[in-house]
Amino acid sequence: NAGVMQNPRHLVRRRGQEARLRCSPMKGHSHVYWYRQLPEEGLKFMVYLQKENIIDESGMPKERFSAEFPKEGPSILRIQQVVRGDSAAYFCASSPRRTGTTNSYEQYFGPGTRLTVT
Amino acid sequence: AQSVTQLDSHVSVSEGTPVLLRCNYSSSYSPSLFWYVQHPNKGLQLLLKYTSAATLVKGINGFEAEFKKSETSFHLTKPSAHMSDAAEYFCVVPRDNYGQNFVFGPGTRLSVLP
Repeated sequence: NAGVMQNPRHLVRRRGQEARLRCSPMKGHSHVYWYRQLPEEGLKFMVYLQKENIIDESGMPKERFSAEFPKEGPSILRIQQVVRGDSAAYFCASSPRRTGTTNSYEQYFGPGTRLTVT
Repeated sequence: AQSVTQLDSHVSVSEGTPVLLRCNYSSSYSPSLFWYVQHPNKGLQLLLKYTSAATLVKGINGFEAEFKKSETSFHLTKPSAHMSDAAEYFCVVPRDNYGQNFVFGPGTRLSVLP
């Protein structure tokens, strides 16, 4: 069972370009989360998606950032008109579908995409 | 709102000596709690989780953590450090009772000296 996959692992963009980050969850997982990690900091929640639905985007900047998780294919985090402050590691995590309890399922993390904006 | 505090940003131990990484949480209910480890330039790996069963939780690589409700703590320990334990460790609590979104502590960097 392959783990969470992210690509590319490293992405370099010039200011003003677009960045697209992809995440394929673990097989059987229908919940996807995106986190951002700035240098020397912990992870900050950005967005939580299920197939074709954004459940919680409270951690996403209001402008330039968007995310989707289509019925087919990977989840995409899109950053338009990147700026130097967007340079960070972006991690995707997935968890299985909830089956009626309120206990948390652990999240399984991908290796991350390291975005550098020049 | 739920939150976690990791009291030490950096801990340094000698190989073969015990490890203690401290975590305190703030929650309005009995939460689930997790410890994750991140090796340099890698993703995060789950070390262990507490979900209201046994208060002493055993994880991978010899780590364990004890949930103490009276102290609102969930400290991570290991009897004997190994060089390969050098990494960043994050204490994590779900943001709400539905458990979907995680709140990460700021992390503790563990250095292991030969």
